Amino acid sequence: DAGVTQSPTHLIKTRGQHVTLRCSPISGHKSVSWYQQVLGQGPQFIFQYYEKEERGRGNFPDRFSARQFPNYSSELNVNALLLGDSALYLCASSLETGTSRGYTFGSGTRLTVV
Amino acid sequence: GQNIDQPTEMTATEGAIVQINCTYQTSGFNGLFWYQQHAGEAPTFLSYNVLDGLEEKGRFSSFLSRSKGYSYLLLKELQMKDSASYLCAVRDTGGFKTIFGAGTRLFVKA
Repeated sequence: DAGVTQSPTHLIKTRGQHVTLRCSPISGHKSVSWYQQVLGQGPQFIFQYYEKEERGRGNFPDRFSARQFPNYSSELNVNALLLGDSALYLCASSLETGTSRGYTFGSGTRLTVV
Repeated sequence: GQNIDQPTEMTATEGAIVQINCTYQTSGFNGLFWYQQHAGEAPTFLSYNVLDGLEEKGRFSSFLSRSKGYSYLLLKELQMKDSASYLCAVRDTGGFKTIFGAGTRLFVKA
């Protein structure tokens, strides 16, 4: 059974550009969360989607948006990229929102903004 | 506000026991998680506590005191492969947001 898959694995963008990151959760998992992780820090919560609806949002500017599709895959969009957006973006999949099993994370997308 | 505190780094010897502490102040609580993250890799789930007390899973145990906003992860019989960052995370009351601490980097030496 495939785990959580994220694409692309690495990406280099220029300031001001737009980026779309993609995530496919584990089959049967209906909840997808997005996190930003800067080197040496813990993951910072961006969004959670469950059953195609946004259920939680972290303290990120409106340049960050996301959506979840009928097959439960998800996209994270970032507009007007800043140098500070350079980070590892992690997608986390879970069966439901209140699970005791924790998240299964994808390997992440390493975004570099130059 | 929400705040999760963990020590930045710890060093321990192979075969020993190490305890990694976590204190939290959050607006709501619906469970505490511990994750392990090796350098360059994604976090992997280790343990979950929602009630006070100790949960044991092999060489790893996790403890929770909700009244004190405190948890620890206990690693026994340390192995070199346990060198990693350990992340404490708290899920809020609605279950829609899980906040992570900055992580504790554990170095296991021979």
